[in-house]
Amino acid sequence: QVQLKESGPGLVQPSQTLSLTCTVSGFSLTSYHVHWVRQPPGKGLEWMGVMWSDGDTSYNSALKSRLSISRDTSKSQVFLKMSSLQTEDTATYYCARESGAPFDYWGQGVMVTVSS
Amino acid sequence: DIQMTQSPPSLSASLGDKVTITCQTSQNINKYIAWYQQKPGKAPRLLIGFTSRLVSGIPSRFSGSGSGRDYSFSISNVESEDIASYYCLQYDNSPYTFGAGTKLELK
Repeated sequence: QVQLKESGPGLVQPSQTLSLTCTVSGFSLTSYHVHWVRQPPGKGLEWMGVMWSDGDTSYNSALKSRLSISRDTSKSQVFLKMSSLQTEDTATYYCARESGAPFDYWGQGVMVTVSS
Repeated sequence: DIQMTQSPPSLSASLGDKVTITCQTSQNINKYIAWYQQKPGKAPRLLIGFTSRLVSGIPSRFSGSGSGRDYSFSISNVESEDIASYYCLQYDNSPYTFGAGTKLELK
C-alpha cells in the first residue's frame, strides 16, 4: 500500500540547515510527484515545494533562496534541505503525494523545533 | 503567485446544519482547487479535487463548486466527526497556495 514517512532531527539550532527525508513505498517517484508542506504550531498549512516525477523541482517563492529538494529514486527517497533556519521555521513538516488532485496520501509528519 | 482568500476563519454550527466555506483566488485557476480536512494532531485529508470531485470514501454530505476565481465548499447535515479545520488549495499554477483555513466548531 501507499506510504510516506518523514524522518529527520527534531531539534535544529538557529542558523543551521535542516535535512529531512521522505521515504515512500507502494509507488514510484518517477510516476508521481512528491510535495513538502509545513505547519507551524497552531497555524495553517504552507506549501513548500515539489519534486516532480520527471525530476524537476518547484519552490515556494518565499523559501526559494533557502530551500532545496532532491531525490534518490533507487532508494525511493525525497530529500528536503533548508538553510539559515530561524525560530519561525519551527513546524511539523509533511511530505505528500500528488496523483491527479494533490496530496492524496500524506506522511505522518515530523515536528522540527528551531531552538538553541 | 496566486493568492487565496478563504473565509470565514471560523464557523460555529449545530449538528445537522449546512455550512459553507469560500475561497477566492487572485486569478482564474480553471477549477484546480482542492479541499482538505484536518483534525488536531493529524495530517490533512483530501476530500475534494478539481472543484467538485469527491474522493472515494468521502461522504456525499461534502460538496464543492465554483469556477474562475470563486469557489465554495459545503457540508450539509454537519456531524460531530466533521469538527475540524478545512483548507483550500489551488494547484493550477506552481507555486501551489493554501487558503488560511477555517475552523469548524460546534455551537
